[in-house]
Amino acid sequence: GAVVSQHPSWVICKSGTSVKIECRSLDFQATTMFWYRQFPKQSLMLMATSNEGSKATYEQGVEKDKFLINHASLTLSTLTVTSAHPEDSSFYICSARDPRRGNEQFFGPGTRLTVL
Amino acid sequence: AQSVAQPEDQVNVAEGNPLTVKCTYSVSGNPYLFWYVQYPNRGLQFLLKYITGDNLVKGSYGFEAEFNKSQTSFHLKKPSALVSDSALYFCAVRDVGNTPLVFGKGTRLSVIA
Repeated sequence: GAVVSQHPSWVICKSGTSVKIECRSLDFQATTMFWYRQFPKQSLMLMATSNEGSKATYEQGVEKDKFLINHASLTLSTLTVTSAHPEDSSFYICSARDPRRGNEQFFGPGTRLTVL
Repeated sequence: AQSVAQPEDQVNVAEGNPLTVKCTYSVSGNPYLFWYVQYPNRGLQFLLKYITGDNLVKGSYGFEAEFNKSQTSFHLKKPSALVSDSALYFCAVRDVGNTPLVFGKGTRLSVIA
């Protein structure tokens, strides 16, 4: 139980295009999901907290107009990287909180974004 | 604000020897502490956690960690390292509220045959 999936697992896009990454909790309902970003050989940096049915809360320094987050249902959150640039290339990992398990966070497998 | 420090970027150990990966934390209240492992281009795999109870926590793949409140530490240990343990290890913490996990910078473990 407590499985989180991400799609796609990797994506390559041209500079200036937008890319959508999906995060799904497969066997539980997650009122709260988190998006992290990981640069090569670095730690996971929290980008934003996504709450179902409300606006996401962004961490300081994260551009909300560039990284659009939508949490339209209890099992799905999406991260859209708008007008992507090469510096947006990174590994994006989502996490969902399971209220049945003491609000423990479970992590998706990550999405590798490469912007050419 | 909560924070995690992993003082070592890299730990090298010979196969069969014991290993320790260090972690210290800072939270305002009682901590929830976690260890995760990450293999190249993969997501995080949960190893173990401390919420309450016994200070020595046993987790997956033979790993264990000891919660030390006075030293605010939660070091990861394994009695006998395997080459397959070579990976990136993250310590993470959150407080008892619904705050998100905060991660240390990670420690790369290399087990040499």
